[in-house]
Amino acid sequence: QKEVEQDPGPLSVPEGAIVSLNCTYSNSAFQYFMWYRQYSRKGPELLMYTYSSGNKEDGRFTAQVDKSSKYISLFIRDSQPSDSATYLCAMSRMNTGFQKLVFGTGTRLLVSP
Amino acid sequence: NAGVMQNPRHLVRRRGQEARLRCSPMKGHSHVYWYRQLPEEGLKFMVYLQKENIIDESGMPKERFSAEFPKEGPSILRIQQVVRGDSAAYFCASSNYRDRGHEQYFGPGTRLTVT
Repeated sequence: QKEVEQDPGPLSVPEGAIVSLNCTYSNSAFQYFMWYRQYSRKGPELLMYTYSSGNKEDGRFTAQVDKSSKYISLFIRDSQPSDSATYLCAMSRMNTGFQKLVFGTGTRLLVSP
Repeated sequence: NAGVMQNPRHLVRRRGQEARLRCSPMKGHSHVYWYRQLPEEGLKFMVYLQKENIIDESGMPKERFSAEFPKEGPSILRIQQVVRGDSAAYFCASSNYRDRGHEQYFGPGTRLTVT
């Protein structure tokens, strides 16, 4: 079983829709939860991160973490065609040293005009 | 805006040759991470380096792969005697200091093709 599970999609939505992207994980030691956006043939771009449980909002993006369910979500409001990309969740443990990121396989999102 | 830089962007090698991938971290960042992305798979951690030190290489294959981050110059990921299974996208990320290691910023990647 993978440490982080993510539905590969593709997820197709019309422009303006609210998008929900999700990951589940198995390791309760994860404390930091990140969302990256990756356009085709490009490097991942850090969108936002959350420490422990709770919500975090940044513009049209909201990240939620439910540690009791080992479930994290990214919501995108008023989705735009430019949001079409692969969205990767990533997690890391609370170490005193460096933090190795463990990634999901990514969900491909397609927003049609 | 000097982000993480990687070169070359594309690299083609024949089986048995050596591949050298370079990474220059963001300005002010002294922590470098290498990840590999195989087709249809997520990014997998390979190695974490600080200047002149390998801190953790638990994700590196035991043979043929090595990494360095010298005092001067970019970080180098070296793959000796490449095989077809090494074909992948290799990404470098950097962070500014250890306690913010979860904020990793990625370069554009080097796509290695082994023929």
